Amino acid sequence: GAVVSQHPSRVICKSGTSVKIECRSLDFQATTMFWYRQFPKQSLMLMATSNEGSKATYEQGVEKDKFLINHASLTLSTLTVTSAHPEDSSFYICSARVGTGNTGELFFGEGSRLTVL
Amino acid sequence: DAKTTQPNSMESNEEEPVHLPCNHSTISGTDYIHWYRQLPSQGPEYVIHGLTSNVNNRMASLAIAEDRKSSTLILHRATLRDAAVYYCILRDGGRSQGNLIFGKGTKLSVKP
Repeated sequence: GAVVSQHPSRVICKSGTSVKIECRSLDFQATTMFWYRQFPKQSLMLMATSNEGSKATYEQGVEKDKFLINHASLTLSTLTVTSAHPEDSSFYICSARVGTGNTGELFFGEGSRLTVL
Repeated sequence: DAKTTQPNSMESNEEEPVHLPCNHSTISGTDYIHWYRQLPSQGPEYVIHGLTSNVNNRMASLAIAEDRKSSTLILHRATLRDAAVYYCILRDGGRSQGNLIFGKGTKLSVKP
């Protein structure tokens, strides 16, 4: 099946710094990627939808200036957490779909665990 | 997106079949029924999906009620590696975004 890879898998940073997380589709082109956040013992929450070559669409309550999403190519989307604070500590997961249809499966990355000190 | 209802948790014995139920009484005609699972500290993994007919793949089977208001994910022989949170999600086949909205899922424990 298709493979989606995230990097880094774990990152620890100081409060006030920015962190970039990469999401790559390794063997297919992803016109659309999705970013999720998951707090401990909770379900995944959709943060934004990233479309190649255009601005991301953010879910209600997600600050677009804090969570910068760039989808510059068909195989790479990045999420930058700017001026991170301890409450931003979470498990960030990306996913991608093959093609443009909505009837097939989505492929998920391994997740990136962010800890802000 | 239409909502789904799943039990919070279930237990199974190793090498026995497991039936994970899901209710989706407000499902629309274009909603596909998707199942994903998430092992601890990993991203979700696709299990199976269907629209109206029952589906089988190497991982599991999906039984869909005739009125489509409920479905059951069947793991034929549970292994310890099947311990995970299983999510039943409705995905609108006609919507342009195509994202998945996750509920709380069912945490499956498998006893040796």
